[in-house]
Amino acid sequence: AQSVTQLGSHVSVSEGALVLLRCNYSSSVPPYLFWYVQYPNQGLQLLLKYTSAATLVKGINGFEAEFKKSETSFHLTKPSAHMSDAAEYFCAVTNSGSARQLTFGSGTQLTVLP
Amino acid sequence: ETGVTQTPRHLVMGMTNKKSLKCEQHLGHNAMYWYKQSAKKPLELMFVYSLEERVENNSVPSRFSPECPNSSHLFLHLHTLQPEDSALYLCASSQEFGDHSPLHFGNGTRLTVT
Repeated sequence: AQSVTQLGSHVSVSEGALVLLRCNYSSSVPPYLFWYVQYPNQGLQLLLKYTSAATLVKGINGFEAEFKKSETSFHLTKPSAHMSDAAEYFCAVTNSGSARQLTFGSGTQLTVLP
Repeated sequence: ETGVTQTPRHLVMGMTNKKSLKCEQHLGHNAMYWYKQSAKKPLELMFVYSLEERVENNSVPSRFSPECPNSSHLFLHLHTLQPEDSALYLCASSQEFGDHSPLHFGNGTRLTVT
């Protein structure tokens, strides 16, 4: 079985401030982890993906995430928020076991304040 | 052409109507998916098709009927829906089912059942 928990359904940051969106996962076998972003009135778009090649994964738009096995975490960060980063962010997990489905978290709505 | 195209973008239907949602992908992918996105709930996987064969059906009511005539097209036929079926319906595709490749999403159909 696998699951994803995103801490904080809403996060607000000031423009230029650090963005930190939290994701913890549960998986009985090594996971594949993803972050997706959803802008208003659009579908989800892949930000980045972890596949065990490197623990620090760089994605699009200046985002990156670090896989920490000991903490079962895959938090998403960006050093400096832009207004255009306002969106909903979803963490997702799948694994190499029998569960081939992608399991999504409930999402975190990011608001960027001027 | 965008990667995954969904039509219509918005749909309002009564509970006795029959309508269909359409999805088309231009990415050469072999797997296609229907997801339901409701407010404040994680994305719910409804159906998965791999090479035009249904491989997953996650206990979806029979009032939702999928169809995959070829690997580029996916339909969701709707009949006698309930108000709680109002949601954003997202279509997605991936290279293969179960290979952990990222999902590519369409912009969704916003369905309102009156």
